[in-house]
Amino acid sequence: EVQLLESGGGLVQPGGSLRLSCAASGFTFNYYAMSWVRQAPGKGLEWVSAIGGGGTDTYYADSVKGRFTISRDNSKKTLHLQMDSLRVEDTAVYYCAKDSRGYNSPVDYWGQGTPVSVSS
Amino acid sequence: DIQLTQSPSFLSASVGDRVTITCRASQGINNYLAWYQQKPGKAPELLIYAASTLQSGVPSRFSGSGSGTEFTLTISSLQPEDFATYYCQQLNSYPRTFGQGTKVEIK
Repeated sequence: EVQLLESGGGLVQPGGSLRLSCAASGFTFNYYAMSWVRQAPGKGLEWVSAIGGGGTDTYYADSVKGRFTISRDNSKKTLHLQMDSLRVEDTAVYYCAKDSRGYNSPVDYWGQGTPVSVSS
Repeated sequence: DIQLTQSPSFLSASVGDRVTITCRASQGINNYLAWYQQKPGKAPELLIYAASTLQSGVPSRFSGSGSGTEFTLTISSLQPEDFATYYCQQLNSYPRTFGQGTKVEIK
């Protein structure tokens, strides 16, 4: 059974940093691209970032480019999102997501989400 | 970046109704489109990918169609458990944008 368990969310002041983690199990982790998707309170889904299975190909939304860094540790089956220079508008539930196989593939499994609140 | 526009944003319907949601892309995306369902407080779930392929375990009352820039999600006979918010997502290129969502509520 595929499981994705996020951690690391919390309350942080504007300008601060947080590191989200996602522990994966139930599938061959290094075979699949992984993504982060967020949802601000009462708003829709926003794709944030993705990383290829090997960890070298990374992609970012314009809204987070230069501030967030996605990475993965395939030996530990863990995905990370380093979030720096946080802004109030980064407040959201952050979902870890597993992509299906192939470049044009959808998310087929989601974590339960971890909340991030950026406020002074 | 590719923009996706869903219509309508809100839909009120009754159990048994046929419901259609449209997703338009700002440029051609072949058939690289997925649909997700999200219920309050829950993570989204994949319904359809490659515009028209039903994800395993999804009821056959859900169907998708389209190619290029215009896509539709149809629920042939709305069931009580289908009241939720639906999102399209383009998988043609990065960034992988979502539509703004369509909330389906009980009439």
